[in-house]
Amino acid sequence: DAMVIQNPRYQVTQFGKPVTLSCSQTLNHNVMYWYQQKSSQAPKLLFHYYDKDFNNEADTPDNFQSRRPNTSFCFLDIRSPGLGDAAMYLCATSRGFGPTYNEQFFGPGTRLTVL
Amino acid sequence: AQSVTQPDIHITVSEGASLELRCNYSYGATPYLFWYVQSPGQGLQLLLKYFSGDTLVQGIKGFEAEFKRSQSSFNLRKPSVHWSDAAEYFCAVGGSSNTGKLIFGQGTTLQVKP
Repeated sequence: DAMVIQNPRYQVTQFGKPVTLSCSQTLNHNVMYWYQQKSSQAPKLLFHYYDKDFNNEADTPDNFQSRRPNTSFCFLDIRSPGLGDAAMYLCATSRGFGPTYNEQFFGPGTRLTVL
Repeated sequence: AQSVTQPDIHITVSEGASLELRCNYSYGATPYLFWYVQSPGQGLQLLLKYFSGDTLVQGIKGFEAEFKRSQSSFNLRKPSVHWSDAAEYFCAVGGSSNTGKLIFGQGTTLQVKP
């Protein structure tokens, strides 16, 4: 089945130690998104890629970076994780923007713990 | 500003009872509206969506939602709840053809009593 895969499902890192979260998709979608979801809160968009075009949300901290080496893979890099970055990180994909194309398909998420 | 409000943080219903989860939105243009469900520790699964046309939309798992432009609402309903429906439900709005950004409500946690 076509799907969105996130690895690892659980990640523990130390305060200030860089960490990378991975997302891959078999849907061949053009757009890949990264959301941050803190406990009991709504998902919040960090950034997205439309093909190779990167779009950062205005309030996304500089500590968060992303890479998309090819259509299938997208990475979230947290350069110096703080305790406040502990959250579930959700990857999503869509075919495009606008009606019909912007239905987003979500992966299972990676739960990040910062010690 | 664009926003989504889910007035009920937590709802408890008995198995077999009907369910309605409320969602109100504020959006300057024609909204595209979505309901997602999230089980504990899992990602989000799309239940249904509204882009245009018939204002009553059918989704998966027996859910439906009605778009009411005059009330800026998109409430989710199910006639008979099953224990497996216990989860968190998120309403979301998006719409710009220039970005796929979704704005989510705070979520409603549904508990189902046996």
